[in-house]
Amino acid sequence: AQTVTQSQPEMSVQEAETVTLSCTYDTSENNYYLFWYKQPPSRQMILVIRQEAYKQQNATENRFSVNFQKAAKSFSLKISDSQLGDTAMYFCAFMKHASGTYKYIFGTGTRLKVLA
Amino acid sequence: DAEITQSPRHKITETGRQVTLACHQTWNHNNMFWYRQDLGHGLRLIHYSYGVQDTNKGEVSDGYSVSRSNTEDLPLTLESAASSQTSVYFCASSVGSYTQYFGPGTRLTVL
Repeated sequence: AQTVTQSQPEMSVQEAETVTLSCTYDTSENNYYLFWYKQPPSRQMILVIRQEAYKQQNATENRFSVNFQKAAKSFSLKISDSQLGDTAMYFCAFMKHASGTYKYIFGTGTRLKVLA
Repeated sequence: DAEITQSPRHKITETGRQVTLACHQTWNHNNMFWYRQDLGHGLRLIHYSYGVQDTNKGEVSDGYSVSRSNTEDLPLTLESAASSQTSVYFCASSVGSYTQYFGPGTRLTVL
């Protein structure tokens, strides 16, 4: 069974600094998708970044980038130039869709606080 | 702008009562999902639907049901609410890109 592990329950970073959130997963699948979602205090879940497992190039979205290590089953999120608005819970998620079945597994989250 | 809404945003009910949580999306997405969020568990998939008249069980479907009579709505019903179903419930929708768009959540308390 697939599992997603986020080993850092809480992290903090100074404004304008860089922080990396870790995520590891376990799967025997070869083709899948990985996501980072952000949940601010408003509770609304928002997609941050997405990575297709068949792509070797790491995904980047403005200040957000990932370090995808398929063999190591690692998918970390780097936030550069951290801003106060980045304060939120961050969830790593694994998705596999095949043979009419969805597997969408979320990690337990990392609470990130950006300090002024 | 397209959006996904949930109602009610907060609900308190008693053990044994039937409860229905509404989810409505105007994205015209075929795929819709229901999750529950609990401390220490992240989000767990309850049910999902690929389209009208299609429903599928997720990881934690016991005690829940859904029906899909149109593209826009996927109501979640708790047939007989239990205290273990106290949680925050999120609805989401997606299309082929697999990126999910989430609603604002419903906080349900079962006393």
